[in-house]
Amino acid sequence: SQKIEQNSEALNIQEGKTATLTCNYTNYSPAYLQWYRQDPGRGPVFLLLIRENEKEKRKERLKVTFDTTLKQSLFHITASQPADSATYLCALGAGTASKLTFGTGTRLQVTL
Amino acid sequence: DAGVIQSPRHEVTEMGQEVTLRCKPISGHNSLFWYRQTMMRGLELLIYFNNNVPIDDSGMPEDRFSAKMPNASFSTLKIQPSEPRDSAVYFCASSFVGVNQPQHFGDGTRLSIL
Repeated sequence: SQKIEQNSEALNIQEGKTATLTCNYTNYSPAYLQWYRQDPGRGPVFLLLIRENEKEKRKERLKVTFDTTLKQSLFHITASQPADSATYLCALGAGTASKLTFGTGTRLQVTL
Repeated sequence: DAGVIQSPRHEVTEMGQEVTLRCKPISGHNSLFWYRQTMMRGLELLIYFNNNVPIDDSGMPEDRFSAKMPNASFSTLKIQPSEPRDSAVYFCASSFVGVNQPQHFGDGTRLSIL
C-alpha cells in the first residue's frame, strides 16, 4: 500500500542553522509534491510545490528537492528563526486528480 | 480576502447525536475537500468535490458520514449517529480545479464525542 513517511520525532535546531526535513514515499509515483506548514490550532498553509520533472525549487529561505529515483523530497529552511517553529507536512499528488495524500508531518523547533 | 470559513470551531456532543460541520470555501474556488486529522492517522482525505459534484468519497469511513455541496459557496459534513471514535479535528480546504493546485485550509472544527 502507499506509504508516506516523515520523521515523527521533533527536529530541534538552533537559530541561524539550516533545518532539513525529509519526506520518503513507497508504492507511489507522484507527479508533484507540496509542502505545508501547520501551526497549533490552525489549518495547514501551502508553502511550495515541486513537479516530478523538477529537481529543486526555491522561495526566499525555503528550498525543496525532489528525487524520484530515491523516492524522497527534502525541505530546507536556511537561517532558521524561532518563528519557523511549526509542523511541516509533505503531500503527494498523482497528477490525474486534485486529491493529495499527506504525510504525518515533522515538528520543527527552532531555539535561540 | 476571506479564507475558508468553518463552523463551529469546537463541538462537544454526546454519542449518538447528529453532528453537522459547515464550510464556506474561498470565492472562485471550485474544488472543495474534507479532511480529518488525528494524532494516530494524521491528515486523511474524506471526500472531495469538483464544481459541487462529489468526485471521490473513498475516504469516508462508513455510512454514518455524509457530505453535501448544494452550491459553490457552502458544504456540510454530517455524522449520524456520532461515536467517540469520530473525535478529531475536521478540516475543509478549497482550491481551483486541476492538478498541482495548492489547497487553502480553514482552521478546522475540533469535534469531541463523549
